[in-house]
Amino acid sequence: DTAVSQTPKYLVTQMGNDKSIKCEQNLGHDTMYWYKQDSKKFLKIMFSYNNKELIINETVPNRFSPKSPDKAHLNLHINSLELGDSAVYFCASSQDGGLGYGYTFGSGTRLTVV
Amino acid sequence: KNQVEQSPQSLIILEGKNCTLQCNYTVSPFSNLRWYKQDTGRGPVSLTIMTFSENTKSNGRYTATLDADTKQSSLHITASQLSDSASYICVVSEEGSNYQLIWGAGTKLIIKP
Repeated sequence: DTAVSQTPKYLVTQMGNDKSIKCEQNLGHDTMYWYKQDSKKFLKIMFSYNNKELIINETVPNRFSPKSPDKAHLNLHINSLELGDSAVYFCASSQDGGLGYGYTFGSGTRLTVV
Repeated sequence: KNQVEQSPQSLIILEGKNCTLQCNYTVSPFSNLRWYKQDTGRGPVSLTIMTFSENTKSNGRYTATLDADTKQSSLHITASQLSDSASYICVVSEEGSNYQLIWGAGTKLIIKP
């Protein structure tokens, strides 16, 4: 009964491919996020959805497209993968903007582009 | 520019010892400050969260302090255990934008037996 689950945990793919990462939360939270953690370990927000509506869209290449079919799911699709996309991608969810302990992360998806 | 800086970058201590991690930020206007623990290969887990009016908060052996005037926070770990080995990340939220958090790079803590 994992609270925020992402799949796959590891993803190795060639440059130019298209891939998707899935995220699901069973906490009943209204807001879901995608973060990218680079080699320097900084976590940078990419997207945020609140009740299926996009509320944050940081400056990321438009090759990245989030999709939220319902408030419990937020998937990330990446087109034409590049070497620089290699990183760990974390999904997270929160209630009421995360003020409190409700900000919960998944275990991450380690993407390696070769 | 809103920034969060942590020190030291890494720290090695013996099991049972105490340690203190530092966080300085330039985020303004300030809303809240959080400390997260991130185990290797896992997502961050919240330890404490403090708003402007709080200057200390504890969670078991973890005690966080906040000085909103000097824009500094510390995380003190008492009687360290091997399971405390992890990265500890300071995160600051700007007022009015709880959806956007500004993350520090973390302090990598290693506890040796």
